[in-house]
Amino acid sequence: EAGVTQSPTHLIKTRGQQATLRCSPISGHTSVYWYQQALGLGLQFLLWYDEGEERNRGNFPPRFSGRQFPNYSSELNVNALELEDSALYLCASKTSLLKAFFGQGTRLTVV
Amino acid sequence: GQQVMQIPQYQHVQEGEDFTTYCNSSTTLSNIQWYKQRPGGHPVFLIQLVKSGEVKKQKRLTFQFGEAKKNSSLHITATQTTDVGTYFCAEGGFQKLVFGTGTRLLVSP
Repeated sequence: EAGVTQSPTHLIKTRGQQATLRCSPISGHTSVYWYQQALGLGLQFLLWYDEGEERNRGNFPPRFSGRQFPNYSSELNVNALELEDSALYLCASKTSLLKAFFGQGTRLTVV
Repeated sequence: GQQVMQIPQYQHVQEGEDFTTYCNSSTTLSNIQWYKQRPGGHPVFLIQLVKSGEVKKQKRLTFQFGEAKKNSSLHITATQTTDVGTYFCAEGGFQKLVFGTGTRLLVSP
């Protein structure tokens, strides 16, 4: 069974640019969660998508957005990048109350 | 909003010593999940507890869910260097999978 896959693994952008991160959940999982993990810190909840719709979002500005496609894969878009957006972005998929499976993450560096 | 705090933030032990991390919530939890994140890696699910007072063991790891379902603990007996990483608790609810602040464990040989 394929796990959660994220692309790209690393991404370097300059301040003010836009970044697009992608996530493919485990087959059969309809929910995708996005988290931001700044270096050495915890997991900050960004967004939750389920069945193609945004169901919940964390305390992040509107320049963090995303979508979920009919095949349940998801994109996270970050507009007007700031230096403090540099972090590991993790995607997780799960069903119901069961465990979450995480992807390897995308390391975003804003210079 | 809901907050899930973990203590300590960081612990450095000698191999063979025991280690415990505590997870405390401001609200009653429907369940508690524990994850381990190795340095440079991603969180990996360890276990889920659902019942009040539940205790589960995985080899040297003992997980406990408090009677009031507001706290949980993870105890590692006789740590090994392979236990290095950050341990997160989380409420495995459907809406946002709330993670605790994490405890980073370092083990010296």
